[in-house]
This record gives sequence, structure tokens and C-alpha cells, in this order.
Amino acid sequence: DIQMTQSPSSLSASVGDRVTITCRASQSISTYLNWYQQKPGKAPKLLIYAASSLQTGVPSRFSGSGSGTDFTVTISSLQPEDFATYYCQESYSIPHTFGQGTKLEIK
Amino acid sequence: QVQLQESGPGLVKPSETLSLTCTVSGGSISGHYGSWIRQPPGMKLELIGYIYYSGSTTYNPSLKGRVSISVDTSKNQFSLKLSSVTAADTAVYYCAKKGGKTKGYAFDYWGQGTLVTVSS
Repeated sequence: DIQMTQSPSSLSASVGDRVTITCRASQSISTYLNWYQQKPGKAPKLLIYAASSLQTGVPSRFSGSGSGTDFTVTISSLQPEDFATYYCQESYSIPHTFGQGTKLEIK
Repeated sequence: QVQLQESGPGLVKPSETLSLTCTVSGGSISGHYGSWIRQPPGMKLELIGYIYYSGSTTYNPSLKGRVSISVDTSKNQFSLKLSSVTAADTAVYYCAKKGGKTKGYAFDYWGQGTLVTVSS
């Protein structure tokens, strides 16, 4: 199985900050990398697919980049509604492994 | 707007079979993949498997042998059966639509999730 490692595991930031979360795959996955946002008690929501494509309806302050093994998602200016847990996920091979999550908290 | 809704028992006894159904509304399941994903309390997400509307299935090897996913296109539903459950199968179970190549095969629409507890 491909292992997906996110860093950091948790992050404290303030409204208006620029934040970057990193995801590393244990082998090359081209651009088969997706990012999700999950709020407590809710289902994950797709933010970014194919490493850098913004899902319909997702604010443009979210952006993704990377290919191969190293990927990032950046929030250009944090808004109150962005405090949540973020997961990366590879869709290159079964079992489409998710990262362990990055919890973004208010400083 | 596609919507998905899970239904089924919230409590299952150890060694029995967990059964859930996902009903899709706002669009046809035809031409698409239906997936099951679970999240144990406080843990990360795990793919259980998915089914193409034609009936072709793909399962997580870690669960193979215990899992079966089926589809009923006439009802716009797909279903999960997980046999011989233990406490380790306690989780929130989500159904999700898996996008095609143009969506990077990401899970683009999700149900709200249903908590299934395995306990006697």
C-alpha cells in the first residue's frame, strides 16, 4: 500500500494567516492526489482534486500543488470557517489511502 | 445537486453481518462509482471499496473476504455487507460517489455518515 504522511499533524493559526499543509506519498503518484476538509461530526468535503484543481464552489483562497511524491495545500488568508481537519488522499492505486489528517486550530 | 444518504442499523452484534444501503438522489447512479468509506472514532478515513454501476467491484485488500458491495440501479441505491464484525469495525460509515478521470477519481459527493457500533 502507498503510505500518505501529512505534516504537521496539528497547526495553530490566526484569521488572515497564510497556511500550508504538506502531504508526502511513499512512492510516486503522479498528480493523483486529493484534499478534503472535515469539520466535527460532518462528512469530508472535497476541496482539491488531481493535485491542483479546485472543486466547484470551493473558495479561491484554497490552492494545491505538487506532483510525484510531494504535495501541498495552501490557504491564502484563513477565514473562521476554515478551522477544521484536512486530509490528503491518493487515488493512484488501491486502497486509495488517506493521510492521518492535519487539525487546523485557532490561535 | 447529487445527494447521498446512508441507512441501516446503528448497532450490530459481534460475529454478525453489518448491512448498510446508500440512496442516491438528484442524479442517476448510472455511469458512476459508488463507494463505502469508514472512519473509526478519532481515526483517519479508510476506503472499504467501490462498485461501478455495471456491478464491477473493487475492495480494500485488508477487508477482502468479509466485504460485499452491490448495486440496484432501478432504485438508485448501492449497498454494503461486512461479515464477521468485531469491535474494530465500529466506525462512522460514509457512502460517497467516486468521480471519474476528469475528477482525478476523487470522492466528490458524500453522504452524512452513519455510526455503526459493534457490541453485544
